[in-house]
Amino acid sequence: ETGVTQTPRHLVMGMTNKKSLKCEQHLGHNAMYWYKQSAKKPLELMFVYSLEERVENNSVPSRFSPECPNSSHLFLHLHTLQPEDSALYLCASSQGTAYNSPLHFGNGTRLTVT
Amino acid sequence: GENVEQHPSTLSVQEGDSAVIKCTYSDSASNYFPWYKQELGKGPQLIIDIRSNVGEKKDQRIAVTLNKTAKHFSLHITETQPEDSAVYFCAASMGTGTASKLTFGTGTRLQVTL
Repeated sequence: ETGVTQTPRHLVMGMTNKKSLKCEQHLGHNAMYWYKQSAKKPLELMFVYSLEERVENNSVPSRFSPECPNSSHLFLHLHTLQPEDSALYLCASSQGTAYNSPLHFGNGTRLTVT
Repeated sequence: GENVEQHPSTLSVQEGDSAVIKCTYSDSASNYFPWYKQELGKGPQLIIDIRSNVGEKKDQRIAVTLNKTAKHFSLHITETQPEDSAVYFCAASMGTGTASKLTFGTGTRLQVTL
Protein backbone atom coordinates (compact mmCIF):
# COMPACT_ATOMS: atom_id res chain seq x y z
CA GLU A 1 0.00 0.00 0.00
CA THR A 2 1.30 3.47 -0.84
CA GLY A 3 0.71 6.95 0.49
CA VAL A 4 -0.69 7.94 3.86
CA THR A 5 -3.28 5.68 5.48
CA GLN A 6 -5.51 6.73 8.34
CA THR A 7 -7.72 4.50 10.49
CA PRO A 8 -10.49 4.46 11.37
CA ARG A 9 -12.27 6.45 8.65
CA HIS A 10 -15.14 7.28 10.97
CA LEU A 11 -15.31 7.39 14.77
CA VAL A 12 -18.17 8.23 17.12
CA MET A 13 -17.29 8.58 20.75
CA GLY A 14 -18.84 9.83 23.94
CA MET A 15 -17.31 12.59 25.95
CA THR A 16 -15.96 10.16 28.54
CA ASN A 17 -14.43 7.66 26.09
CA LYS A 18 -10.79 7.13 25.24
CA LYS A 19 -9.89 6.35 21.65
CA SER A 20 -6.91 6.62 19.32
CA LEU A 21 -6.46 7.67 15.71
CA LYS A 22 -3.77 5.94 13.69
CA CYS A 23 -1.73 7.16 10.75
CA GLU A 24 0.83 5.25 8.70
CA GLN A 25 2.91 6.61 5.84
CA HIS A 26 4.59 4.45 3.19
CA LEU A 27 6.49 7.28 1.48
CA GLY A 28 9.75 7.14 3.40
CA HIS A 29 9.17 10.62 4.78
CA ASN A 30 10.70 11.84 8.03
CA ALA A 31 8.11 14.38 9.18
CA MET A 32 4.48 13.82 10.17
CA TYR A 33 1.66 16.18 11.07
CA TRP A 34 -1.82 16.24 12.60
CA TYR A 35 -4.29 18.79 11.24
CA LYS A 36 -7.87 19.53 12.27
CA GLN A 37 -10.35 20.41 9.51
CA SER A 38 -13.64 22.04 10.50
CA ALA A 39 -16.31 23.34 8.14
CA LYS A 40 -15.71 26.84 6.79
CA LYS A 41 -12.44 27.19 8.75
CA PRO A 42 -8.83 26.99 7.56
CA LEU A 43 -6.90 23.82 8.21
CA GLU A 44 -5.52 24.03 11.75
CA LEU A 45 -2.09 22.57 12.46
CA MET A 46 -2.07 20.62 15.72
CA PHE A 47 1.26 18.81 15.99
CA VAL A 48 4.45 18.30 14.00
CA TYR A 49 6.95 15.50 14.41
CA SER A 50 10.33 15.53 12.72
CA LEU A 51 12.52 12.44 12.99
CA GLU A 52 10.12 11.15 15.65
CA GLU A 53 10.62 14.22 17.82
CA ARG A 54 7.76 16.61 18.46
CA VAL A 55 8.84 19.97 17.09
CA GLU A 56 5.61 21.87 17.33
CA ASN A 57 2.49 21.88 19.46
CA ASN A 58 0.08 24.59 18.44
CA SER A 59 -1.57 25.26 21.81
CA VAL A 60 -3.66 22.11 21.52
CA PRO A 61 -5.69 21.10 24.62
CA SER A 62 -4.20 18.28 26.65
CA ARG A 63 -7.17 16.05 25.85
CA PHE A 64 -5.33 15.46 22.55
CA SER A 65 -2.10 13.50 23.03
CA PRO A 66 0.12 12.62 20.05
CA GLU A 67 2.56 9.76 19.82
CA CYS A 68 5.16 9.04 17.14
CA PRO A 69 6.88 5.70 17.83
CA ASN A 70 8.80 5.77 14.52
CA SER A 71 8.98 7.80 11.33
CA SER A 72 6.22 5.77 9.67
CA HIS A 73 3.57 5.82 12.39
CA LEU A 74 1.69 8.58 14.14
CA PHE A 75 -1.11 8.32 16.69
CA LEU A 76 -3.50 10.81 18.23
CA HIS A 77 -4.85 9.68 21.58
CA LEU A 78 -8.18 11.20 22.54
CA HIS A 79 -9.81 11.45 25.97
CA THR A 80 -12.55 13.51 27.59
CA LEU A 81 -13.36 15.26 24.33
CA GLN A 82 -15.92 18.01 23.86
CA PRO A 83 -18.61 18.23 21.15
CA GLU A 84 -16.67 21.09 19.51
CA ASP A 85 -13.86 18.63 18.87
CA SER A 86 -16.02 16.97 16.21
CA ALA A 87 -14.15 17.46 12.92
CA LEU A 88 -12.12 15.73 10.23
CA TYR A 89 -8.64 14.92 11.54
CA LEU A 90 -6.01 14.76 8.83
CA CYS A 91 -2.59 13.23 9.05
CA ALA A 92 0.14 14.37 6.66
CA SER A 93 3.77 13.58 5.99
CA SER A 94 6.63 15.33 4.21
CA GLN A 95 10.26 14.80 3.42
CA GLY A 96 11.87 17.33 5.70
CA THR A 97 10.09 20.29 7.23
CA ALA A 98 11.33 23.03 4.90
CA TYR A 99 8.74 25.64 3.95
CA ASN A 100 8.32 24.19 0.47
CA SER A 101 8.12 20.53 1.47
CA PRO A 102 4.90 19.24 -0.13
CA LEU A 103 2.49 17.83 2.40
CA HIS A 104 1.02 14.40 1.59
CA PHE A 105 -2.31 13.99 3.35
CA GLY A 106 -4.24 10.91 4.33
CA ASN A 107 -7.99 10.73 3.77
CA GLY A 108 -8.75 11.64 7.35
CA THR A 109 -10.77 10.34 10.27
CA ARG A 110 -14.23 11.85 10.66
CA LEU A 111 -14.70 12.24 14.42
CA THR A 112 -18.07 12.84 16.04
CA VAL A 113 -18.21 13.52 19.78
CA THR A 114 -21.62 12.93 21.33
CA GLY B 1 0.72 36.24 12.10
CA GLU B 2 -0.25 35.55 8.51
CA ASN B 3 -3.91 35.78 7.46
CA VAL B 4 -5.11 34.30 4.16
CA GLU B 5 -8.51 35.17 2.73
CA GLN B 6 -9.99 33.12 -0.12
CA HIS B 7 -12.87 33.93 -2.48
CA PRO B 8 -15.34 32.81 -3.56
CA SER B 9 -16.41 30.15 -1.08
CA THR B 10 -18.39 28.37 -3.80
CA LEU B 11 -18.07 28.50 -7.56
CA SER B 12 -20.16 26.80 -10.21
CA VAL B 13 -19.04 26.71 -13.85
CA GLN B 14 -20.12 24.84 -16.93
CA GLU B 15 -17.84 22.20 -18.35
CA GLY B 16 -15.34 23.80 -20.68
CA ASP B 17 -15.47 27.20 -19.04
CA SER B 18 -12.66 28.71 -16.97
CA ALA B 19 -12.61 29.03 -13.19
CA VAL B 20 -10.68 31.56 -11.13
CA ILE B 21 -10.11 31.43 -7.37
CA LYS B 22 -8.50 34.37 -5.60
CA CYS B 23 -6.56 34.64 -2.35
CA THR B 24 -5.08 37.57 -0.47
CA TYR B 25 -2.44 37.43 2.24
CA SER B 26 -1.43 39.88 4.91
CA ASP B 27 2.27 39.27 5.62
CA SER B 28 4.50 40.83 2.97
CA ALA B 29 7.29 38.44 4.08
CA SER B 30 5.35 35.45 2.70
CA ASN B 31 6.98 34.12 -0.44
CA TYR B 32 5.69 30.61 -1.02
CA PHE B 33 2.13 29.95 -2.19
CA PRO B 34 0.87 26.38 -2.77
CA TRP B 35 -2.58 25.28 -3.87
CA TYR B 36 -4.20 22.07 -2.66
CA LYS B 37 -7.17 20.20 -4.14
CA GLN B 38 -9.43 18.11 -1.91
CA GLU B 39 -11.81 15.69 -3.56
CA LEU B 40 -14.81 14.33 -1.70
CA GLY B 41 -13.78 11.84 0.95
CA LYS B 42 -10.08 12.41 0.40
CA GLY B 43 -7.30 14.48 1.88
CA PRO B 44 -5.89 17.61 0.21
CA GLN B 45 -3.37 17.10 -2.58
CA LEU B 46 -0.81 19.64 -3.77
CA ILE B 47 -1.56 20.63 -7.37
CA ILE B 48 0.69 23.63 -8.01
CA ASP B 49 2.82 26.11 -6.12
CA ILE B 50 4.59 29.40 -6.82
CA ARG B 51 7.39 31.36 -5.24
CA SER B 52 7.50 35.12 -5.00
CA ASN B 53 10.30 35.50 -7.54
CA VAL B 54 7.91 34.21 -10.21
CA GLY B 55 4.81 36.03 -11.44
CA GLU B 56 3.07 33.12 -13.14
CA LYS B 57 3.37 29.37 -13.35
CA LYS B 58 1.48 26.94 -15.57
CA ASP B 59 0.92 23.20 -15.54
CA GLN B 60 -1.32 22.03 -18.35
CA ARG B 61 -4.81 23.41 -17.62
CA ILE B 62 -3.96 25.05 -14.32
CA ALA B 63 -2.01 28.23 -13.70
CA VAL B 64 -1.25 30.40 -10.73
CA THR B 65 -0.51 34.12 -10.82
CA LEU B 66 1.02 36.23 -8.08
CA ASN B 67 0.88 39.98 -7.49
CA LYS B 68 3.31 40.74 -4.66
CA THR B 69 2.51 44.43 -4.61
CA ALA B 70 -1.17 43.81 -4.04
CA LYS B 71 -0.49 40.69 -1.95
CA HIS B 72 -2.83 38.46 -3.86
CA PHE B 73 -2.53 35.28 -5.89
CA SER B 74 -4.99 33.37 -8.03
CA LEU B 75 -5.62 29.90 -9.37
CA HIS B 76 -6.85 29.62 -12.93
CA ILE B 77 -8.35 26.44 -14.35
CA THR B 78 -9.10 26.42 -18.08
CA GLU B 79 -11.32 24.02 -20.01
CA THR B 80 -12.85 22.71 -16.80
CA GLN B 81 -13.89 19.08 -16.59
CA PRO B 82 -16.18 17.24 -14.15
CA GLU B 83 -13.14 15.77 -12.39
CA ASP B 84 -12.07 19.31 -11.46
CA SER B 85 -15.03 19.41 -9.04
CA ALA B 86 -13.46 19.60 -5.57
CA VAL B 87 -12.56 22.00 -2.78
CA TYR B 88 -9.47 24.08 -3.48
CA PHE B 89 -7.31 25.60 -0.74
CA CYS B 90 -4.69 28.29 -1.13
CA ALA B 91 -1.92 28.72 1.41
CA ALA B 92 0.97 31.03 2.17
CA SER B 93 4.18 30.77 4.11
CA MET B 94 7.48 32.54 4.59
CA GLY B 95 10.41 31.03 2.78
CA THR B 96 12.55 31.13 5.88
CA GLY B 97 10.07 29.07 7.86
CA THR B 98 9.05 25.46 7.91
CA ALA B 99 6.14 23.58 6.38
CA SER B 100 4.39 23.96 9.69
CA LYS B 101 4.11 27.70 9.08
CA LEU B 102 1.72 27.27 6.19
CA THR B 103 -1.44 29.34 6.63
CA PHE B 104 -4.41 28.02 4.69
CA GLY B 105 -7.43 29.80 3.24
CA THR B 106 -10.95 28.63 4.04
CA GLY B 107 -11.42 26.81 0.73
CA THR B 108 -13.46 27.19 -2.47
CA ARG B 109 -15.92 24.50 -3.48
CA LEU B 110 -15.80 24.25 -7.27
CA GLN B 111 -18.68 22.52 -9.05
CA VAL B 112 -18.30 21.79 -12.74
CA THR B 113 -21.67 21.13 -14.33
CA LEU B 114 -22.30 19.28 -17.57
